[in-house]
Amino acid sequence: GIQVEQSPPDLILQEGANSTLRCNFSDSVNNLQWFHQNPWGQLINLFYIPSGTKQNGRLSATTVATERYSLLYISSSQTTDSGVYFCAVEAFGNEKLTFGTGTRLTIIP
Amino acid sequence: EAQVTQNPRYLITVTGKKLTVTCSQNMNHEYMSWYRQDPGLGLRQIYYSMNVEVTDKGDVPEGYKVSRKEKRNFPLILESPSPNQTSLYFCASSSTGGSYEQYFGPGTRLTVT
Repeated sequence: GIQVEQSPPDLILQEGANSTLRCNFSDSVNNLQWFHQNPWGQLINLFYIPSGTKQNGRLSATTVATERYSLLYISSSQTTDSGVYFCAVEAFGNEKLTFGTGTRLTIIP
Repeated sequence: EAQVTQNPRYLITVTGKKLTVTCSQNMNHEYMSWYRQDPGLGLRQIYYSMNVEVTDKGDVPEGYKVSRKEKRNFPLILESPSPNQTSLYFCASSSTGGSYEQYFGPGTRLTVT
């Protein structure tokens, strides 16, 4: 099956810093999503981005489908950005999302 | 508001006592799915459904049952829960045409003692 690797596994930053999270995947996909899992366990949809670039406030994401990677950018980090960020992909013809192991982001005041 | 709802949100039960976790979506999505999340193992798919009366096994179906009698509902049934089914469960739904974006419910935290 498709493999999804996220890096770095852990990231500790001071408030106000910028960060880049990476997701590599091993096959062509028709779905790629970024999620934020908050301390209460809820999965918050950040982006649906099988290709191209999107921006939403301080967050943006870019997927280069031909090179099989996606990047999530967080600018001017806030403590509320803390949590685990997951990349999940769906390969063509495969009816499920395969999740990466996540990046745990900790923002220190 | 477009959403996926799950009930209950928290449940503590005992081994062998049948339980059902409900899932409902109001987006007229054809596709629905159940995942479980465990430390160190990430999120894994249990069962999925492409439409009414169509269900199929995911990666970890043992010990679970599902049904899809109506488009909006996709309950997860544990006939005889065991402690290794203690987990955080998520229901998700998506359209099968155009966008494949999946929408997740708030999660159900299940503890089996």
